Amino acid sequence: DVKVTQSSRYLVKRTGEKVFLECVQDMDHENMFWYRQDPGLGLRLIYFSYDVKMKEKGDIPEGYSVSREKKERFSLILESASTNQTSMYLCASSLWDREAFFGQGTRLTVV
Amino acid sequence: GQQVMQIPQYQHVQEGEDFTTYCNSSTTLSNIQWYKQRPGGHPVFLIQLVKSGEVKKQKRLTFQFGEAKKNSSLHITATQTTDVGTYFCAVQQETSGSRLTFGEGTQLTVNP
Repeated sequence: DVKVTQSSRYLVKRTGEKVFLECVQDMDHENMFWYRQDPGLGLRLIYFSYDVKMKEKGDIPEGYSVSREKKERFSLILESASTNQTSMYLCASSLWDREAFFGQGTRLTVV
Repeated sequence: GQQVMQIPQYQHVQEGEDFTTYCNSSTTLSNIQWYKQRPGGHPVFLIQLVKSGEVKKQKRLTFQFGEAKKNSSLHITATQTTDVGTYFCAVQQETSGSRLTFGEGTQLTVNP
C-alpha cells in the first residue's frame, strides 16, 4: 500500500513564526502536491512538484514556499505564519498521470 | 488557473434516493478523477476517466466523461448511509502536465 505520511496531525503556531510542514511518501512517485482545505472552498492547490528540485506554483502560492531535495520528501514552508493561514493542509503524491494518494492532513492553527 | 466547477455544493437525500454530482471544466481535460472524503478523513480515490464518452461503474456508482472531455458526472443509485461524505472531482489538463486541480466538492447527507 502507498503510504503518505505528514509529520503532524495538529499544530499550533504563533503569528510571524516560520512553519515547516513535512510530507514523506514511500512509493517512488514523481508528483507531490500540497493543498489547503477550507470549508466550502474544496481543496486548493498551493504548490506541486513533478521531480526532485522541480516545483510549480498552484492557485494560491502567496505566503508559502516548498522544498523537494529528495524524491520522497516534499516540505511546505510558511515563511511568516499569519492567522489567515489557519487551515487543514493535505499532502498527496502520485505517478505522472495517475491517482493521488493523500496523507492524513495537518490541522494548523495560527494564533 | 484551471477552472473547475462542481455542483451542487450540498445535497440532502433520503436513504434509497439517487444522487448526482456534476463537474465542469472550461478547458479540455486529459483525465478526470473522482474522490470521496468521509467526515474527518482525507480524500480517497474512486476512479479515473480518460476516454471521451467513457462510462464506468462501481456497484451503485456510475461515472461518465463527456464527449468533449470537459465535463463529468457521478451518479449514485439508491443511496445508503455509508455514502455520506464529500465527493470531489479532480482534473488534469492536457497542457498543464501533472497539475491536479480539485473542484469544490459536493457534500452528501443521507437521512436514514
